[in-house]
Amino acid sequence: GAGVSQSPRYKVAKRGQDVALRCDPISGHVSLFWYQQALGQGPEFLTYFQNEAQLDKSGLPSDRFFAERPEGSVSTLKIQRTQQEDSAVYLCASSVLRGLYEQYFGPGTRLTVT
Amino acid sequence: SQQGEEDPQALSIQEGENATMNCSYKTSINNLQWYRQNSGRGLVHLILIRSNEREKHSGRLRVTLDTSKKSSSLLITASRAADTASYFCARHGNKLVFGAGTILRVKS
Repeated sequence: GAGVSQSPRYKVAKRGQDVALRCDPISGHVSLFWYQQALGQGPEFLTYFQNEAQLDKSGLPSDRFFAERPEGSVSTLKIQRTQQEDSAVYLCASSVLRGLYEQYFGPGTRLTVT
Repeated sequence: SQQGEEDPQALSIQEGENATMNCSYKTSINNLQWYRQNSGRGLVHLILIRSNEREKHSGRLRVTLDTSKKSSSLLITASRAADTASYFCARHGNKLVFGAGTILRVKS
């Protein structure tokens, strides 16, 4: 496909479980971003990759959140020991170059922690 | 925390009317971007205006930027029911920071 894809689209986890969310960016896009969007709010920045390098992880809310992009393409956001406050939509976006350009967003993964 | 503020929070208009949404921010920017989000197509980029630009057009969209007032506005002319969505401004300093959005409802 031509767009950003994310999987799974929906994830229900019991509190304390670990989850892994996957993002496939647009082919050739250097920059990849993860955002967290709570209900009724705008997306909030979590972390940014340029190729395989994680250049900014200032938005990750705790050390339970970890992201990687080992080959500079697919990225995974992992949340360990999920808590109810982690329930949100997690959006992935990619951009041609470093982020001074428009970003293309995936459909998101809706995470519900029960 | 989000540093962009959209105004109004919600807007309801009749099809064919114009819709204006405003955005304010607090720190310097490289550019400001507007996005639309609805359940059907997710978050979609609409328009990007650079800090040295004052106005930009794209189809029925017109964006203005006033860096002295740290504000921007998005005008949608001749609105359609399909324009019903949430609209977000996002300021780009060293990363993209979104506001809380304006919910636009266009009634047919």
